[in-house]
Amino acid sequence: QVQLVQSGAEVRKPGASVKISCKASGYNFTNYYIHWVRQAPGQGLQWMGVLNPGGGGTGYAKNFQGRVTLASDTSTSSLYMELSSLRPEDTAIYYCARGGEHGVADSNWFDPWGQGILVTVSS
Amino acid sequence: EILMTQSPATLSVSPGERATLFCRASQSASSNLAWYQQKPGQAPRLLIYGASIRATGIPARFSGSGSGTEFTLTISTLQSEDFAVYYCQQYSSWPPFTFGQGTKLEIK
Repeated sequence: QVQLVQSGAEVRKPGASVKISCKASGYNFTNYYIHWVRQAPGQGLQWMGVLNPGGGGTGYAKNFQGRVTLASDTSTSSLYMELSSLRPEDTAIYYCARGGEHGVADSNWFDPWGQGILVTVSS
Repeated sequence: EILMTQSPATLSVSPGERATLFCRASQSASSNLAWYQQKPGQAPRLLIYGASIRATGIPARFSGSGSGTEFTLTISTLQSEDFAVYYCQQYSSWPPFTFGQGTKLEIK
């Protein structure tokens, strides 16, 4: 079945960077967009960015432009999200989620989601 | 950017009753609207896409309706496992993809 499995929890100090991973399986990896969404404690969902694993193209939310980098490794069907210049308010659960299929208009709902990774930023 | 507003913030309903959740877009999202359910400690789960199409494995008691700027999620007969937080999301105009702030469905 289609599955996204994320790496383990991370703790960083303010100013540092974190790189988290998401491994896809059960479908043609390069055919679907992958999105990254975060959720601060007790808060709602915030979209961060999208990656096209097939072509490498990316799109980012304005709030994160310049601080977030999305990448993929087609040889291992893995996705990566790196967030730099971390602040305590970046403490959140970070999710990867599969989006739409290339060439299929208006298909960017998110399904499935990875299990989420807690990133804690604290001095 | 399309802003999504959900109402109410909290909805208290008894098991076996009907629950109706609302989502409004600041500009037309056509039918490019999804609903997600999130339980504590879990990732969100897709319920509805295309405003009214149930995702695979979603029970028929969940239904979505609406288009343009007004959308509704209805749970016809609430089961104990349905008490959770529900989010709407538009994928009509992006970036960015935007979510509503969520509706917490709690047991009355």
